[in-house]
Order: sequence, then structure tokens, then C-alpha cells
Amino acid sequence: GAGVSQSPSNKVTEKGKDVELRCDPISGHTALYWYRQSLGQGLEFLIYFQGNSAPDKSGLPSDRFSAERTGGSVSTLTIQRTQQEDSAVYLCASSRGRREGYTFGSGTRLTVV
Amino acid sequence: GIQVEQSPPDLILQEGANSTLRCNFSDSVNNLQWFHQNPWGQLINLFYIPSGTKQNGRLSATTVATERYSLLYISSSQTTDSGVYFCAVEETSGSRLTFGEGTQLTVNP
Repeated sequence: GAGVSQSPSNKVTEKGKDVELRCDPISGHTALYWYRQSLGQGLEFLIYFQGNSAPDKSGLPSDRFSAERTGGSVSTLTIQRTQQEDSAVYLCASSRGRREGYTFGSGTRLTVV
Repeated sequence: GIQVEQSPPDLILQEGANSTLRCNFSDSVNNLQWFHQNPWGQLINLFYIPSGTKQNGRLSATTVATERYSLLYISSSQTTDSGVYFCAVEETSGSRLTFGEGTQLTVNP
């Protein structure tokens, strides 16, 4: 597609429920990144996929967070047993490679009530 | 990990003014990018600039990698330039960008 597409744009969930966030990167971009941004804060790295290599999961804050990337394209970030501190905007970015500019999606605003 | 410091944290300008935003980083980098986050939250990539100078319209950026800083210049500012400007770097041993805290820019008409 022309840009990075994320869905849903907004998600309100009850504490303890599981959520899935989707990212559809730009066609042909081999690198895909997940970040999150809490209210008024900077961007916190979560996970990085590069081609068929093992993902860099070093930024995932707990084992409740996981992500996969199927067929080198679409990625899904899953948060299990959501907590209120998980409330944030989750941003996905893709790039042609590691030393290329990132293109960000519009994000998913997650609110845990 | 690498430290990224941006200054100033806040900047208020009158339309038409020029400004310089600074990004200092604590280690060698092989990737540096500048982003603008508009008031609706969308992050726009302005420059990929690990070294050297680039210009795009009223915006230009310079990175002096050996001295570990980058500058973003905004000339003839417009109200649409308002938002948060982020500098992000990837250290040579890293695999992803680390973002600074940003500079909040407000351009008044």
C-alpha cells in the first residue's frame, strides 16, 4: 500500500482481556518496528523484525506482550491480560532496510479500563 | 544504551521566524532521523541524515557525527510547523532507533 496501515485506530478494553493490534507495512519493506507512546512521553521501542531473521524482542516490557510477522508482511502485536499501564498509542513503522528512513502508521490508541 | 538529548524542550515562535533545534547523542551512530509529530499524532519522517547536510524546502538538517550532534533548521516558520520534533538515533552496535524526548514547537500567527 501507499503507507503503513494500522488497525484498529482506537481500542477500549477491560482490564484482564487480551487484545490484538495489526500492522500492514509498505509493500517491499523488509524491516518492521513496533513502538509505543504513553501520554506526553517519547517513543519506547518494543520489537523489530528484519526479513526472515529472528526478531529483536528486547524491548517487550513483559511476557504478556508478543508479536509475530507472517509471510514477511503483516504483523500482529498481542497483549494478554491487559493492565491499565498498557494504555498508550501503539505505533508501527516500516523501512526498506536497517539503514533507511522509517515510515510510521497512524497508530492504535489503546485504553484499558 | 545510547542517550539522546534534545534542546530546547519547548519553543514558541511568531510566524515567519527562524529556529534551530539541537540533538546531542552519547555514542557513535550509523542512523539518525528527524521526525515531526503533528497535533493529531501522526509521525512524519523529515530526514534520514546519519552525516552531512540535507535540505527540503524550508527545512534543513546537519549532522556532525564525529562531534555527536545534529541540528534541524526551520526557516520562515508557519503555523502548520507546530508539533513535536523528535530526533532518533541508532548506535553502531544497535538494531533500532532510540528517540529523544522531543522539542515542542508552537508557531503563533
